[in-house]
Amino acid sequence: DAGVIQSPRHEVTEMGQEVTLRCKPISGHDYLFWYRQTMMRGLELLIYFNNNVPIDDSGMPEDRFSAKMPNASFSTLKIQPSEPRDSAVYFCASSFGQATDTQYFGPGTRLTVL
Amino acid sequence: AQKVTQAQTEISVVEKEDVTLDCVYETRDTTYYLFWYKQPPSGELVFLIRRNSFDEQNEISGRYSWNFQKSTSSFNFTITASQVVDSAVYFCALSEAFMNSGYSTLTFGKGTMLLVSP
Repeated sequence: DAGVIQSPRHEVTEMGQEVTLRCKPISGHDYLFWYRQTMMRGLELLIYFNNNVPIDDSGMPEDRFSAKMPNASFSTLKIQPSEPRDSAVYFCASSFGQATDTQYFGPGTRLTVL
Repeated sequence: AQKVTQAQTEISVVEKEDVTLDCVYETRDTTYYLFWYKQPPSGELVFLIRRNSFDEQNEISGRYSWNFQKSTSSFNFTITASQVVDSAVYFCALSEAFMNSGYSTLTFGKGTMLLVSP
């Protein structure tokens, strides 16, 4: 079975550019999570969706970040405009059923903003 | 508020040694879930185990074992006869079950980097 799929795996962009990260959750999973991992702050939850509806976006750093889930099999995390401090690994994860169920992570997108 | 503490930042062992990774958590909830994830050098996060607060039985899976003790709020992870392929960062995580809404978040510890040398 396919796991969580993320694209691109690596993204290098210049400050001020728009960046879009993509995620396809495991089929049948009701919950989708976006995390950011940095050396300084570790793994942080940015936002999560239940049945395509955003439930909690309190972890989104600022208005430059936005996330959508137009259908059960696709989600995007957009940063506009990007800044060097956004450089991090961004993970998408999905789980079935309750939010306390096991979250399965995608391979991550390593974002570098120059 | 919930908190997960992994006091060991980095551990170095030689192959075949046993090693225990510590995890201490804080929660006011009576229903919660504990997890361990492995992050090898390739970067992906691999699920290892999920445990609910009502099940204190120790778990063994091959060379891996977990010791859950509610009395000390700990959920420690032991690797027996470590191998080079065990080298990774290991994360402990906590999720509470909010009974009314089912809303919960997964809080990760800072991770413990395990280096196993030949």
